[in-house]
Amino acid sequence: NAGVTQTPKFQVLKTGQSMTLQCAQDMNHEYMSWYRQDPGMGLRLIHYSVGAGITDQGEVPNGYNVSRSTTEDFPLRLLSAAPSQTSVYFCASKLDSLYGYTFGSGTRLTVV
Amino acid sequence: AQSVTQPDIHITVSEGASLELRCNYSYGATPYLFWYVQSPGQGLQLLLKYFSGDTLVQGIKGFEAEFKRSQSSFNLRKPSVHWSDAAEYFCAVGPMDSNYQLIWGAGTKLIIKP
Repeated sequence: NAGVTQTPKFQVLKTGQSMTLQCAQDMNHEYMSWYRQDPGMGLRLIHYSVGAGITDQGEVPNGYNVSRSTTEDFPLRLLSAAPSQTSVYFCASKLDSLYGYTFGSGTRLTVV
Repeated sequence: AQSVTQPDIHITVSEGASLELRCNYSYGATPYLFWYVQSPGQGLQLLLKYFSGDTLVQGIKGFEAEFKRSQSSFNLRKPSVHWSDAAEYFCAVGPMDSNYQLIWGAGTKLIIKP
């Protein structure tokens, strides 16, 4: 099993550009989420999904969109990148509430 | 308000010495409790979790944690650290009655002295 795969690993964007961070898992997990990690702030939830076709906002959703058309994929879209979105982004999935998350290796995004 | 506090931003321990990382939480009910480890440039890996039952839980890599309800704490311990344990450690709590939202601590960076 590949687990949770995130692409790209690194990305530099100019302010105002849009892009999609890809996340795919091959474990048939229903629950998927996107977090951003900033120094000294732990992980903050951006959006999450409890199954295909179902998404909801987390703690810091502004500036981001998600969709979940399949169980496997959960892309995160930055609509118009801002320097405040410079961060490391992690996708994570889990089977249900009794299990811990499996994390991807992250995408380091810099917005200039 | 619900919160998780990891009081130590950095901890330095000599190789072979014992380790305890602190985690305190504020929550309305008994939550699920987790410890994760993040090696440099990597994603987070689950070390251990507590749901119910025995308050001392064993995890991977020789780690254990003890849930103390009266102190709202879930401290992580290891009897003897190895240089490969140098990483950042995150405590997280989640609701028993919901499927999803975890609250994360800010992390503790563990530095190992040779």
